[in-house]
Amino acid sequence: DVKVTQSSRYLVKRTGEKVFLECVQDMDHENMFWYRQDPGLGLRLIYFSYDVKMKEKGDIPEGYSVSREKKERFSLILESASTNQTSMYLCASSLLLGGGTGELFFGEGSRLTVL
Amino acid sequence: GNSVTQMEGPVTLSEEAFLTINCTYTATGYPSLFWYVQYPGEGLQLLLKATKADDKGSNKGFEATYRKETTSFHLEKGSVQVSDSAVYFCALRSSTGFQKLVFGTGTRLLVSP
Repeated sequence: DVKVTQSSRYLVKRTGEKVFLECVQDMDHENMFWYRQDPGLGLRLIYFSYDVKMKEKGDIPEGYSVSREKKERFSLILESASTNQTSMYLCASSLLLGGGTGELFFGEGSRLTVL
Repeated sequence: GNSVTQMEGPVTLSEEAFLTINCTYTATGYPSLFWYVQYPGEGLQLLLKATKADDKGSNKGFEATYRKETTSFHLEKGSVQVSDSAVYFCALRSSTGFQKLVFGTGTRLLVSP
């Protein structure tokens, strides 16, 4: 069974802290994505990666960075967390850019609260 | 730019009622269209898709038809169950550029017994 695993379901951090969100997929997918989900705004793309060490900005990259050192792992980094980054973060992967069939496989999400 | 507009929720129904969740889109070219579902406490999963005009996607009793003339992809189910309670997202993938998925804001469905 295909699986995307996000390391933490719930995190509470303080303003200014550095935050790492980890995502691992076991499907040998080339593409990986980080979204944030907020009520009334749906899903917004932060960053995506179509290959190891490659990354592309999404629609809302400000305040975030990413790392993809291995094909199966895609990390989202908040260098200095702020309260407006309190959100649900969703990782996804797919076979081709946008998905050959359009199907993204999602993790269960990481709910981050920044105090 | 590309965008997806969904009806606002929550949609509240009794079990066995008929469901429609409206979705319209704006896109250049010939996008592919999708419905994703998010059950409580879980990530999103693909429910159904359609890749060209007049295609009908279907799964688990849900259906949606790609209507190019009205730029719509409305989700329907003839008889909902309590277990269908979830958030439903309409999405499109452009046929040009990086082909990223663009999601609507989501519609929460609540089904009571």
